[in-house]
Amino acid sequence: AQTVTQSQPEMSVQEAETVTLSCTYDTSESDYYLFWYKQPPSRQMILVIRQEAYKQQNATENRFSVNFQKAAKSFSLKISDSQLGDAAMYFCAYRSAVSGNQFYFGTGTSLTVIP
Amino acid sequence: DADVTQTPRNRITKTGKRIMLECSQTKGHDRMYWYRQDPGLGLRLIYYSFDVKDINKGEISDGYSVSRQAQAKFSLSLESAIPNQTALYFCATSAGDGRNTEAFFGQGTRLTVV
Repeated sequence: AQTVTQSQPEMSVQEAETVTLSCTYDTSESDYYLFWYKQPPSRQMILVIRQEAYKQQNATENRFSVNFQKAAKSFSLKISDSQLGDAAMYFCAYRSAVSGNQFYFGTGTSLTVIP
Repeated sequence: DADVTQTPRNRITKTGKRIMLECSQTKGHDRMYWYRQDPGLGLRLIYYSFDVKDINKGEISDGYSVSRQAQAKFSLSLESAIPNQTALYFCATSAGDGRNTEAFFGQGTRLTVV
C-alpha cells in the first residue's frame, strides 16, 4: 500500500504571511492524483487543491499553490496571505489512477493562524 | 441538502452494543468508503465498495461490517462496540474512472463508546 507522510503535526503562521505544509509519499506507480484537504473545526473535509501526476505544472487555486516534485515524491502546500479562516487541520492524500482507486491520507498538520 | 449525508452526527453508546452508522449520497458515484479518524493517525480506511456487489476490506476492518444496500447507501456496523472504537467516522464517495476524481465527504459521525 502507498504511504503518505506529513512530518509536521503542527504549524503556525502570522496573519497575512506565507506558510508551507510538507507532504511526501511513497509509490512505485507513475500515474496518480494528489490532493490537499482542509478540515476546519466544523470537521467537514473540504478539497483545497488537486494535482495530477502527469502534469508538470504546479496547481494553483487563489492563495493556495503546490510544489509538486515527482522525482522526490514531494507535494507541499503553500498558503499565501494567510487568513484567520485558514486555521484548520490539513490532510495530504494520494489516489492511484490504476490500482484500486483507494485514497491514502497522511496524519495531518494542524495549522494555527496568529492574528 | 448535502451531497453525502451521514446519520447520526453524534452518538454515545455503551460497550457491547450494536450500532449502525448510515451514509447516503446524491452524487451518483459508484465508489463509497468508510474512514475512521483518530488524532495523530489521520484517516484510515475501514471498508470500501466499488458497486453494490463489490465490498472490500480496508486496513482496519476488524470489528466492523458494512452493507451496500443500494448504489446510494452504504452503512457501517459495529457488532459489539468497544471503547477503542471511539473516533470520528467519515463516509466518502468518488466517481470511477476519469480525471480529477476527488473524494467527497459526509459531515462525519462522532462516536463515543463508554
